[in-house]
Amino acid sequence: QPVLTQPPSSSASPGESARLTCTLPSDINIALYNIYWFQQKPGSPPRYLLFYNSDSDKGHGSGVPSRFSGSKDPSANTGILFISGLQSEDEADYYCMVWPSNAWVFGGGTKLTVL
Amino acid sequence: QVQLVESGGGVVQPGTSLRLSCAASGFTFGSHTMNWVRQAPGKGLEWVAVISADGSNKHYADSVRGRFTINRDNSENTLFLQMDSLRVEDTAVYYCARTPGWGHWGQGTLVTVAA
Repeated sequence: QPVLTQPPSSSASPGESARLTCTLPSDINIALYNIYWFQQKPGSPPRYLLFYNSDSDKGHGSGVPSRFSGSKDPSANTGILFISGLQSEDEADYYCMVWPSNAWVFGGGTKLTVL
Repeated sequence: QVQLVESGGGVVQPGTSLRLSCAASGFTFGSHTMNWVRQAPGKGLEWVAVISADGSNKHYADSVRGRFTINRDNSENTLFLQMDSLRVEDTAVYYCARTPGWGHWGQGTLVTVAA
């Protein structure tokens, strides 16, 4: 199954913004797929944040603040999770996921540190 | 409220079998696709298998295909994962998750495969 590439780590200060990326292999055109994002804190199951396909086809999980948003950069075949107004509670691991063909595939995850 | 409770984990030797269960409540179980997702200690998320609402359609990750079998009993509101020919690399916390939406996960059950 394909590999989704996420940077292992990222950091930002409280109040700043974070831009987490998820790059698909070249044989999977991100324009065709919903990209899902999850947050996970130590000792807890993943929490579904949102999915993004386009500005007219997207959705947030229940209770997820609007400062979490998704987008795509088709030129880089990359999905993006944008977190504005960072809070200490946003420190967590973040995973992307897509369904390219009869299987869900997760990215390797990015550990976000809020300094 | 929606509840998913996994059970059946434990310590087993390589080559042996184990069956995990996920008891569902608070929703119409037979109307939802269900998934197993695992997480090895200190590692990222790995999708394992999915089963359609009526149980007629199943898909597996390459890493478990031919060894693991996903099933469900809609009359008992329970999801199963039969794991055969277990390997050390199958050691992980196994979560069940409801789709569509990915908004509901169990707390997970730990499977340890060790000689």
